[in-house]
Amino acid sequence: AAGVIQSPRHLIKEKRETATLKCYPIPRHDTVYWYQQGPGQDPQFLISFYEKMQSDKGSIPDRFSAQQFSDYHSELNMSSLELGDSALYFCASSSDRDSAGEQYFGPGTRLTVT
Amino acid sequence: GENVEQHPSTLSVQEGDSAVIKCTYSDSASNYFPWYKQELGKRPQLIIDIRSNVGEKKDQRIAVTLNKTAKHFSLHITETQPEDSAVYFCAASTGDSGAGSYQLTFGKGTKLSVIP
Repeated sequence: AAGVIQSPRHLIKEKRETATLKCYPIPRHDTVYWYQQGPGQDPQFLISFYEKMQSDKGSIPDRFSAQQFSDYHSELNMSSLELGDSALYFCASSSDRDSAGEQYFGPGTRLTVT
Repeated sequence: GENVEQHPSTLSVQEGDSAVIKCTYSDSASNYFPWYKQELGKRPQLIIDIRSNVGEKKDQRIAVTLNKTAKHFSLHITETQPEDSAVYFCAASTGDSGAGSYQLTFGKGTKLSVIP
């Protein structure tokens, strides 16, 4: 079965640079959630989209923005990167219309800011 | 906002024994409680979930119980195997605004080690 795809898998950036993370949800899933997981930490919710509209916002810095496109893929844009942004970024997809909340995570993007 | 507490933070069991991980949540409106297994550097994998209209759910060696009155839920793994070793996260969600609003609040995780 098709899973969530994230790209790139690894990304190294310098402070103050920008980064774009991409997420391709499971086919026919209508919802995308973004989470940030620091080393040894639990995942923290950033933002979510349902049917291409932003649905909820969590602890996402103002330097970050995201959107979901017509093909349901989503991108997380991160600007003015800081050392503390180094983390694993997961995208999770869900069919909230059918199985509300049941989220399947992608493999993650490991972002390292130097 | 929701707060989820998880205990213990580490758990070591002998192969074949049972393991129990407990979580409490603060928001009585929470209605969805998944459990995730995460191996080092990999994605969280959904292993079982329970909704607030159910008290218990079982899937082979894994079971979850929910006590809405006490606002706690537990994961039970029987006949543990070395491949069960991982970090387990509980989570809670309210989803009260409809689709796209099932953001998960996670517990801090339990590192389970199954000793052969």
